[in-house]
Formats: sequence, structure tokens, C-alpha cells
Amino acid sequence: AQSVTQLDSHVSVSEGTPVLLRCNYSSSYSPSLFWYVQHPNKGLQLLLKYTSAATLVKGINGFEAEFKKSETSFHLTKPSAHMSDAAEYFCVVSDYNNNDMRFGAGTRLTVKP
Amino acid sequence: EAGVVQSPRYKIIEKKQPVAFWCNPISGHNTLYWYRQNLGQGPELLIRYENEEAVDDSQLPKDRFSAERLKGVDSTLKIQPAELGDSAVYLCASSLVGTGGNSPLHFGNGTRLTVT
Repeated sequence: AQSVTQLDSHVSVSEGTPVLLRCNYSSSYSPSLFWYVQHPNKGLQLLLKYTSAATLVKGINGFEAEFKKSETSFHLTKPSAHMSDAAEYFCVVSDYNNNDMRFGAGTRLTVKP
Repeated sequence: EAGVVQSPRYKIIEKKQPVAFWCNPISGHNTLYWYRQNLGQGPELLIRYENEEAVDDSQLPKDRFSAERLKGVDSTLKIQPAELGDSAVYLCASSLVGTGGNSPLHFGNGTRLTVT
């Protein structure tokens, strides 16, 4: 079965500096990959998705992620962090031929002034 | 479009009591998911429906948990009897799926269950 590993449980950056949240995946088939964000006491919101088109995917709020098959990675990046980016981020994988969505354990992003 | 609606938003019960959660997915979405999210962890799949059929319930603790999705629309998740370890946020999500796993999930705000 497919799975994801988020390599950092907590990332702390200063406002205005780059953000890197790391995700490695395991999938038997061509995967679909997603990043979701969860602000405190809020629902999960889709940031971006990869579905076998362009390997560099742009999402909302200036986030983007690059699918690297050789490294089985789908890291999330943003050039300049904003205070409002502080939240929990989840990497999600599903095999292309099913709808079984598996979540990583999450990475908490803290943004310091 | 209206989003995924869950109720109640919060629920506090004593252990051994029953509890039920309700989910109304986005209109037209054929796939519905129930996830459980423990504090500080990612959501874990409990059950997945395609239309009214439960296609994956391998993670559902069937001795105390049950779910149904009548007419392939609304769904209820029930716990009877509840245990202290069931305290968590229960999330419902829906998607419109054709072939393949490309469709993103749309989540409700969840039900926060506290078992005392």
C-alpha cells in the first residue's frame, strides 16, 4: 500500500525567509500527490496537487512543490514565509488506480517575526 | 458550492455511551471518507465509500464502530460503546472520482469528540 513520510515534525523559519517542508512517498503505481494545510481549529484545505502532468506544481498562497520520481519526493516550498503560513501541513499520496488517500504525520510550521 | 457539512461540531460523552456523527458531502460527490485525527497526528482512514458501497473499511474497529451511507449521499459514523481512546477529531471528506486517484478531497470542519 502507498504511504508518505514527512521528514520533519516541526519546522521553524523567520518571516521573509524560504520554507521547505519535506515529503517522501512510497507507491506501487503512478502516484497522485497532494499537500494540505490545517490552521488551528480549522478544516483541511488543499494547497496543491500533482497528477502526472508537470512535475513542478504551483498552488495557492505562493506555495509550490516538485515531483521527483528518482528521489520519491514531493517537497513543499515557498520563497518567502508570511506569519499567516503558520499551520500544520500534510502530504498525501494515493495510487493512480485507486482513491485510497494516505496522510503523512504532518509538519508544524512556525513563523517567527 | 456548499462545502462538506459535519455535525455536531463538538461532542462530550462519558465512556461506554454511544455517539453518532453525521456528514453531508458536496452535492454530486460519489466518494466519501471518514478519517480520525488524533492530537498531533495526521488523519487516519476509517472507511471509504464509493456511492453507497463501503470499498475500504479495513481500518474500522468493527467491534464498536459502524458506518452507513444510505442512498449514496449522507453518511453517519457511530461508536458504541465509546472508550477513552476514541477521543479525537472525526473528519469527513468527499470527492468526485472517475477513474484513478486524481481528485482531491474536500473536508468538513470535523467533529471533536471528548470521552470522559
